[in-house]
Amino acid sequence: GAGVSQSPSNKVTEKGKDVELRCDPISGHTALYWYRQSLGQGLEFLIYFQGNSAPDKSGLPSDRFSAERTGGSVSTLTIQRTQQEDSAVYLCASSPTGSFTEAFFGQGTRLTVV
Amino acid sequence: QKEVEQNSGPLSVPEGAIASLNCTYSDRVSQSFFWYRQYSGKSPELIMSIYSNGDKEDGRFTAQLNKASQYVSLLIRDSQPSDSATYLCAVNNGNDYKLSFGAGTTVTVRA
Repeated sequence: GAGVSQSPSNKVTEKGKDVELRCDPISGHTALYWYRQSLGQGLEFLIYFQGNSAPDKSGLPSDRFSAERTGGSVSTLTIQRTQQEDSAVYLCASSPTGSFTEAFFGQGTRLTVV
Repeated sequence: QKEVEQNSGPLSVPEGAIASLNCTYSDRVSQSFFWYRQYSGKSPELIMSIYSNGDKEDGRFTAQLNKASQYVSLLIRDSQPSDSATYLCAVNNGNDYKLSFGAGTTVTVRA
């Protein structure tokens, strides 16, 4: 596709359920990032992939969060046993280099935990 | 103390006026500074970057950096209604892939 694609665009889930968020980066972009934006907050770094490996996953808030990237392309962010504080917009971005400032964002997945 | 702090606003300015946005950061070793614009319901987009003390101009936007005071600002000259958005200040502390963001300042330009 022409841009970074995220799915679903909106997700409402019950507390305690698991969710999977998908990111399809721009073809050929080696770097992929996950950030999240809670209501009224700036972006919060979650994890960074270079190819299939994650050199920095320090931003994942707890062990309920995990992410993987396969084939140097699609990435999935999984949140287990969701909590209300997980409600946020989850943004994925990809970059042709490792520099975030060259990254293009997807439109985000709005996650609401009820 | 948050790493990056901004006044949340809202900042309301009349069309044609100058909008002035401020940002302070806590880490003295910060190297690079960025301003992103985020329209309501949309993803952020990078509009300015600044790396050295002083002013940097790009069209109607001017970024100002003062590392001694740990302060970076964004001026929007001749504000237009299309400038109405939330402006996020971001700081790079040495890793190209990870920025620290402020919570953003919401700007409303009144026609």
